[in-house]
Amino acid sequence: QSVLAQPPSVSGAPGQSVILSCTGSSSNIGAGFDVHWYRQLPQTAPKLLLYGNKFRPSGVPERFSGSKSATSASLAITGLQSDDEADYFCQSYDINLNGVIFGGGTKLTVL
Amino acid sequence: QVQLVESGGGLVKPGGSLRLSCVASGFSFNAHYMAWIRQTPGKGLECISYINRSANMTNYTDSVKGRFTISRDNAKSTVYLQMTSLRVEDTALYFCAGGREWLRFDYWGQGALVTVST
Repeated sequence: QSVLAQPPSVSGAPGQSVILSCTGSSSNIGAGFDVHWYRQLPQTAPKLLLYGNKFRPSGVPERFSGSKSATSASLAITGLQSDDEADYFCQSYDINLNGVIFGGGTKLTVL
Repeated sequence: QVQLVESGGGLVKPGGSLRLSCVASGFSFNAHYMAWIRQTPGKGLECISYINRSANMTNYTDSVKGRFTISRDNAKSTVYLQMTSLRVEDTALYFCAGGREWLRFDYWGQGALVTVST
């Protein structure tokens, strides 16, 4: 059971928007630590998608946006495309565990 | 372009040892923090160890403390993970990852599979 809670699956139709949630606690997200998001396509390594809660690395489309509030964070994807199908993981730091923590991941299905 | 290439994975018996290596190219290795992150279907992603730029600070998750050692050679742009007293539950795909900022992973390798089994 992951310290950061993510819904196991989310789905949406092409062109629609979805929001993926990442729920933590006062010892991680709520303590002010940044949330980073990664996307993992099947049989590949995770790739940084958003960093510092909301910033996009070079090459990541504006369709991907992030936000953080209190003890949770969200990743919004607009204009869903078939190649958005992937697993999405959030990551932060936990002061009680004194370590990096990941969410369990959300599998996004584009219907 | 940026590349992280892991090697050294394989099949080992419980109690055995392995050393993973990860060679970096395409970015300033000595300006990046490095980590080893493993993935299993059951436990997901787990950051098991990380090391700072100058190699004078390391961190380990509790389950590998005393058994695994992370190190780096900036002259060779390589990070290592020495694994001893391996357990069945260490079976996983091991990624090396690096980041310009502490606790953020900008780049990932393709992974090295470690299987601990009799």
